Amino acid sequence: DQQVKQNSPSLSVQEGRISILNCDYTNSMFDYFLWYKKYPAEGPTFLISISSIKDKNEDGRFTVFLNKSAKHLSLHIVPSQPGDSAVYFCAAATQGGSEKLVFGKGTKLTVNP
Amino acid sequence: NAGVTQTPKFQVLKTGQSMTLQCAQDMNHNSMYWYRQDPGMGLRLIYYSASEGTTDKGEVPNGYNVSRLNKREFSLRLESAAPSQTSVYFCASSEARTRYGYTFGSGTRLTVV
Repeated sequence: DQQVKQNSPSLSVQEGRISILNCDYTNSMFDYFLWYKKYPAEGPTFLISISSIKDKNEDGRFTVFLNKSAKHLSLHIVPSQPGDSAVYFCAAATQGGSEKLVFGKGTKLTVNP
Repeated sequence: NAGVTQTPKFQVLKTGQSMTLQCAQDMNHNSMYWYRQDPGMGLRLIYYSASEGTTDKGEVPNGYNVSRLNKREFSLRLESAAPSQTSVYFCASSEARTRYGYTFGSGTRLTVV
C-alpha cells in the first residue's frame, strides 16, 4: 500500500509562472516531510522540508504547504525557471526511531522557456 | 567534500552473475541506505543500516544482501542477478536523530541481460 502518493507523473509550466506539485499521504504517524529534486544521471538532492508542527515553510522561490487534516502537502515554485526542470520526490518520516524515509513516485516538472 | 560515493557508475551483467555495489560516505553519518529507482515506481528502499553493525530489510530486499563494513561503507550484493534487477541503484546516508534529510550518491545504472 502506497503511503506517499504523487498522483501527477508530470507537470508542464511556462517560465515565470507558478509550479505547484502535490503530494498526499495516508500514514497519520508521519510528522516530517521533505521534497527532493533529481536531475537525470544524478542522485536526488534535498530541497526543502517541513515539520508537522508547521503549515508552511519558505526557502527563496520554494514554499512547502502542509495540510494535516487533509494529509496533503504541496510544493510551490515561484517564479519557475527552466533550471527547475527535474523530477521532484515527496518523502515522509515518522517521529522517533528509524530515520527511514518513504518516498512518492515522483513528478517530472518541465519548465518551458 | 565527496559526500556519498558509489562505484561503479555503470554495469552490465549476465543473468546469474554476481556483483557488489560499493558505497562510501565521508560525513560521519550513522545511517546508510540502498534504494532502487525504476520508471513509474519512484525510490524503493532495499536495505538500510541504522548504525555500524546493524542492517535491516526495506521494502524490496529479495535477491540482495548488504554489508555494513564500517561506519563509512555500506555495500549491496547481488548473488545471482536477474533481469528484474535492472535498475538505477542509489546509496544514501543520514545523520541519526536529525531531520536534514538524506545525502544521495550519484547512482549505479545496472543492466542485467
